[in-house]
Amino acid sequence: QVQLQESGPGLVKPSQTLSLTCTVSGDSVSSGSSYWSWIRQSAGKGLEWIGHISTSGITDYNPSLKSRVTISTDMSKNQLFLSLTSVSAADTAVYYCAKEVVVAAAALEYWGQGTLVSVSS
Amino acid sequence: DIQMTQSPSSLSASVGDRVTITCRSSQNIIDYLNWYQQKPGKAPKLLIYAASSLQSGVPSSFSGSGSGTDFTLTISSLQPEDFATYYCQQTYSSSSFGQGTRLEIK
Repeated sequence: QVQLQESGPGLVKPSQTLSLTCTVSGDSVSSGSSYWSWIRQSAGKGLEWIGHISTSGITDYNPSLKSRVTISTDMSKNQLFLSLTSVSAADTAVYYCAKEVVVAAAALEYWGQGTLVSVSS
Repeated sequence: DIQMTQSPSSLSASVGDRVTITCRSSQNIIDYLNWYQQKPGKAPKLLIYAASSLQSGVPSSFSGSGSGTDFTLTISSLQPEDFATYYCQQTYSSSSFGQGTRLEIK
């Protein structure tokens, strides 16, 4: 069974960099044909796709966040990372990592429980 | 960018009702359309992928249809546990979600 667990600081100051880790078990972030994604959700709002990375390291990002986002993986630790620079209050959200199933219209089959990140001084 | 528009934004219905939620894309996405259910404080759960394929373990009361730009999610007979928020997602070009449809008990 694939399991994902997000972790990272719950509070980030404005203009700083938000860094989150997603630890994956039951699958590998570096093998197979999957993509690994980050999605966020502001309080009371809808889901926003941040971006994803393939097992071969190919990335794609939401155009509205592209200049500030980097997604990467560490195969030795089987972890997925999110870096978001120059954050503001608008980046306050619950951040989820998820695994895509490429053969199923890239649907997000497995999700972490989410981690709340607040941006405040 | 592909914009996804769901309707209605909210819906009140009763147990046993048949409910349909619509999702429209701003351009042709063929069948690269997925549906999710989200309950408060929980991660979304995949219901339907590729417009009409039922995810394993999801009740057959859920069904999806459509192609091109117009898609629907139908719940044939609402159960108490179905009251939640539903999202569509396109994966044809990068990815984007609809704004969600909140399904409430009447």
